[in-house]
Amino acid sequence: DVKVTQSSRYLVKRTGEKVFLECVQDMDHENMFWYRQDPGLGLRLIYFSYDVKMKEKGDIPEGYSVSREKKERFSLILESASTNQTSMYLCASSSGGAFTEAFFGQGTRLTVV
Amino acid sequence: GEDVEQSLFLSVREGDSSVINCTYTDSSSTYLYWYKQEPGAGLQLLTYIFSNMDMKQDQRLTVLLNKKDKHLSLRIADTQTGDSAIYFCAERGGNGGSQGNLIFGKGTKLSVKP
Repeated sequence: DVKVTQSSRYLVKRTGEKVFLECVQDMDHENMFWYRQDPGLGLRLIYFSYDVKMKEKGDIPEGYSVSREKKERFSLILESASTNQTSMYLCASSSGGAFTEAFFGQGTRLTVV
Repeated sequence: GEDVEQSLFLSVREGDSSVINCTYTDSSSTYLYWYKQEPGAGLQLLTYIFSNMDMKQDQRLTVLLNKKDKHLSLRIADTQTGDSAIYFCAERGGNGGSQGNLIFGKGTKLSVKP
């Protein structure tokens, strides 16, 4: 059974803290993505990576960074968490090719207080 | 830029048909997708259609594609309470190469009343 695993389902952090969200996939996929999901705004792409140590900015990269040191792991970093980063964060992975099925993790609901 | 649009809410009675509509902008999209998100879960691929097709049927699901109008729809026949979820239309982003990032609509929340 293919799997994308996010390290936490729920997180509560304080304003100004450095926050790490971890994502691991076991499908040997080249591509990995971080989205945030907010009511009425749908999914917005933060960053994606198409290879180890490679990263590309998505639509809303400000306030975030990412790390991909190994193919199976893609980390999202909030350098200094702010209340407007309270959201649901979804990690996804996919293989290359014309047909792109993305596999999603369960999501991490982050609350910044 | 690329954009995918869909209405935010749909409410139907159990047993009725549901039709969720979507418009997209990238006419070069090879595949178009429908994802389903159940409460508290991530998204799962529900169905997809290849761009040279007009229609695809899979049990209770029918996908219709109008390439001229860039309009995609998902019909769920005999809608059940278990179909209550958020449905996302998606097309592949045009960033080139094989990176395959998907552009999602905002999602349509389907509520099924008994």
